[in-house]
Amino acid sequence: AQKITQTQPGMFVQEKEAVTLDCTYDTSDQSYGLFWYKQPSSGEMIFLIYQGSYDEQNATEGRYSLNFQKARKSANLVISASQLGDSAMYFCAMREGRGYSTLTFGKGTMLLVSP
Amino acid sequence: DARVTQTPRHKVTEMGQEVTMRCQPILGHNTVFWYRQTMMQGLELLAYFRNRAPLDDSGMPKDRFSAEMPDATLATLKIQPSEPRDSAVYFCASGLGPPNTGELFFGEGSRLTVL
Repeated sequence: AQKITQTQPGMFVQEKEAVTLDCTYDTSDQSYGLFWYKQPSSGEMIFLIYQGSYDEQNATEGRYSLNFQKARKSANLVISASQLGDSAMYFCAMREGRGYSTLTFGKGTMLLVSP
Repeated sequence: DARVTQTPRHKVTEMGQEVTMRCQPILGHNTVFWYRQTMMQGLELLAYFRNRAPLDDSGMPKDRFSAEMPDATLATLKIQPSEPRDSAVYFCASGLGPPNTGELFFGEGSRLTVL
């Protein structure tokens, strides 16, 4: 089974609108972390936001927020007030366990923001 | 501004040649990862080091790939002999273990083309 599932290969949004990128995960660990990364066309991987499994509040970082629904095992990224520079590939990733661990990535969602 | 540095940024080589990619992790980080990114497979973990010791290289084809950390400032990924199917972007990433979140900081990647 896939650890991280991103069901939207591509999403379109108009500038200044909000957009939600979906991510579901699969783990039997009680302690885990969820991450979102942005990869613009230049290729670098940019960390956006983190949510720990024990965090009671949804994480927020500027225009980014993470809609964490633990029972549904979903960790959707919400981008408010989209900007043209938000056009990029977005990856959801998970770290399992409390200790040292690797990140497992989803296949990504391509977001295109139009004027 | 601390960052992960990778060389070369681009490499074109012929099938059968040896390829060496180098990575300088962020000073003080004790975990180093090599990921490979292709359109078909997405981001795949190749190797993972903690305090310079290899912990997980199960994703790496052992017959042709090798990963080492000769010292804390250098990680290398070698392919010998290279094959066209090795064409991909290879990312190095570094991070800190617990109690940190496990966020990874990525280099800009090495784009490899094997003809």
